[in-house]
Amino acid sequence: AQSVTQPDIHITVSEGASLELRCNYSYGATPYLFWYVQSPGQGLQLLLKYFSGDTLVQGIKGFEAEFKRSQSSFNLRKPSVHWSDAAEYFCAVGGNNQGGKLIFGQGTELSVKP
Amino acid sequence: GAGVSQTPSNKVTEKGKYVELRCDPISGHTALYWYRQSLGQGPEFLIYFQGTGAADDSGLPNDRFFAVRPEGSVSTLKIQRTERGDSAVYLCASSSRLGGTGELFFGEGSRLTVL
Repeated sequence: AQSVTQPDIHITVSEGASLELRCNYSYGATPYLFWYVQSPGQGLQLLLKYFSGDTLVQGIKGFEAEFKRSQSSFNLRKPSVHWSDAAEYFCAVGGNNQGGKLIFGQGTELSVKP
Repeated sequence: GAGVSQTPSNKVTEKGKYVELRCDPISGHTALYWYRQSLGQGPEFLIYFQGTGAADDSGLPNDRFFAVRPEGSVSTLKIQRTERGDSAVYLCASSSRLGGTGELFFGEGSRLTVL
């Protein structure tokens, strides 16, 4: 079955600390992987995506993610978190012949302590 | 418009009523998607349009749900005989990518509450 698992429902980090949000996927074909962020009152915004090539991808707002095929993972990282990063983060998987049909994880809510 | 626009932003209705939710995609985007997000969950795919036709409607939960995009731009999601379980945020997204998987631009959603 195709699925995305985000094991951490809620994470709290201190401002300036590093961040890693976990994402594991199950997908029958070559996966296209995405991280989206959802802030209150705003639509989902794409942070970064992986289609092929270099397994370490850079995104907006200083985020990066690493695709590890052997672990079926696509974890999101940021070296130093800012208070404005507090939001809900969603990992998603799709395929080349699936149009924009994405399978999302249930999300990880990030809180940032001053 | 500059982004994906969805109306209404909030809709409260009674069980058994009919509801329409509207999506106005980014100008020039040929692909349009509807997703549903229940409380505490990630978005779930409902239907995808390429132009005027539904390319994939496999996510529609049952025949009470229907969506149209008659002129290849604005889309309407229609829900008949609403049930309390239909309460959710309905998200619309558009993309300029023909086929394949490109970046989806999401609207802020329409929050539906069925009493």
